[in-house]
Amino acid sequence: DVKVTQSSRYLVKRTGEKVFLECVQDMDHENMFWYRQDPGLGLRLIYFSYDVKMKEKGDIPEGYSVSREKKERFSLILESASTNQTSMYLCASSPPIDRVGNTIYFGEGSWLTVV
Amino acid sequence: AQTVTQSQPEMSVQEAETVTLSCTYDTSESDYYLFWYKQPPSRQMILVIRQEAYKQQNATENRFSVNFQKAAKSFSLKISDSQLGDAAMYFCAYRSFGSARQLTFGSGTQLTVLP
Repeated sequence: DVKVTQSSRYLVKRTGEKVFLECVQDMDHENMFWYRQDPGLGLRLIYFSYDVKMKEKGDIPEGYSVSREKKERFSLILESASTNQTSMYLCASSPPIDRVGNTIYFGEGSWLTVV
Repeated sequence: AQTVTQSQPEMSVQEAETVTLSCTYDTSESDYYLFWYKQPPSRQMILVIRQEAYKQQNATENRFSVNFQKAAKSFSLKISDSQLGDAAMYFCAYRSFGSARQLTFGSGTQLTVLP
């Protein structure tokens, strides 16, 4: 089974702090994603990575950056946390688009509260 | 850009009965994938069922089936013999064949199963 692991389930941070959310997948997937989930808005893509050191902005990249130094690890960084970044963050991974299946696999989510 | 619409924020069903969740989408592409994901209170996103747009046959997975109407851009999920464990938030999602990053989610339908 595919395993996508997010290192922290619950975090409470102060406004202005630098926050790291870590994600590791064990299936050698090329693609990795960070989503933000808010009530009534579904899941919105923050950043996407299709290879080591490669990244693309998603729909809501403002206030976030990412790092992918190794294929299995994709980090989301909040340079200066703000209260409007309080949310549930979901990491996901998938094989390349041309493989049979194309399923995206999700981690369990990280609840971030910024106070 | 693709959009996915789930017009039912909440649904309820009696245990052992059948319920249908609606999803419509808007796209100009001819090749794509559609998914239903389930998110129980644990927040783990679980793939329920997947449909390839080029396949006319509706996908089925045990008690879960879809009604895929490509011309109408409709992708509904039918849950038969509903069980208490089916209670969750259900998300419809669209994935473009031409772009690995392009996974768009609807806003979700909260399903309650009544004993």
